[in-house]
Amino acid sequence: EAGVVQSPRYKIIEKKQPVAFWCNPISGHNTLYWYRQNLGQGPELLIRYENEEAVDDSQLPKDRFSAERLKGVDSTLKIQPAELGDSAVYLCASSLELAARTFFGPGTRLTVL
Amino acid sequence: ELKVEQNPLFLSMQEGKNYTIYCNYSTTSDRLYWYRQDPGKSLESLFVLLSNGAVKQEGRLMASLDTKARLSTLHITAAVHDLSATYFCAVDKASNYQLIWGAGTKLIIKP
Repeated sequence: EAGVVQSPRYKIIEKKQPVAFWCNPISGHNTLYWYRQNLGQGPELLIRYENEEAVDDSQLPKDRFSAERLKGVDSTLKIQPAELGDSAVYLCASSLELAARTFFGPGTRLTVL
Repeated sequence: ELKVEQNPLFLSMQEGKNYTIYCNYSTTSDRLYWYRQDPGKSLESLFVLLSNGAVKQEGRLMASLDTKARLSTLHITAAVHDLSATYFCAVDKASNYQLIWGAGTKLIIKP
């Protein structure tokens, strides 16, 4: 069974540039999460989807971050414009349903110069 | 506010030794999770603990939960080098299912 797929794995951009990350969750998983993980810290939830609905986006910096999950499958997370402090690993995760075991993707390591 | 504290944050130990990582959380929680993360890799789910007194074991790792003390432990028995990684605990509440994570324990096991 394929796991959570993310791309790109690495991204280096200059500040003020836009960037987008893509996630394909495990087939059949209704719940999808985007997390941000800074070096030496635990993940921080940015947004959670139940199917195509964003049910928890309280931690998403909405002035520059946006996300979508069209058709309730793949999801994209966008940052525009990127700031130096956005450098982190962005993790996508999915679960069959809320409170079920969560599977994480390999992450996208973003470096903003 | 739900907070999660792990200790130690860094642990260097010899192969063959036993040790315990502790995870304290500040308010009532419904589920406690342990994850492993290798350098540059993603998070791997190890255990989900749902009730007081729950104990789960896999290989040389054993996790337990004491909801009254708001404490979970991850015990490593006869450590081997392959267990070197960062271990995270996380808790959530049924009311919002938002996972709150500890800072992680970086474990280095020397041959």
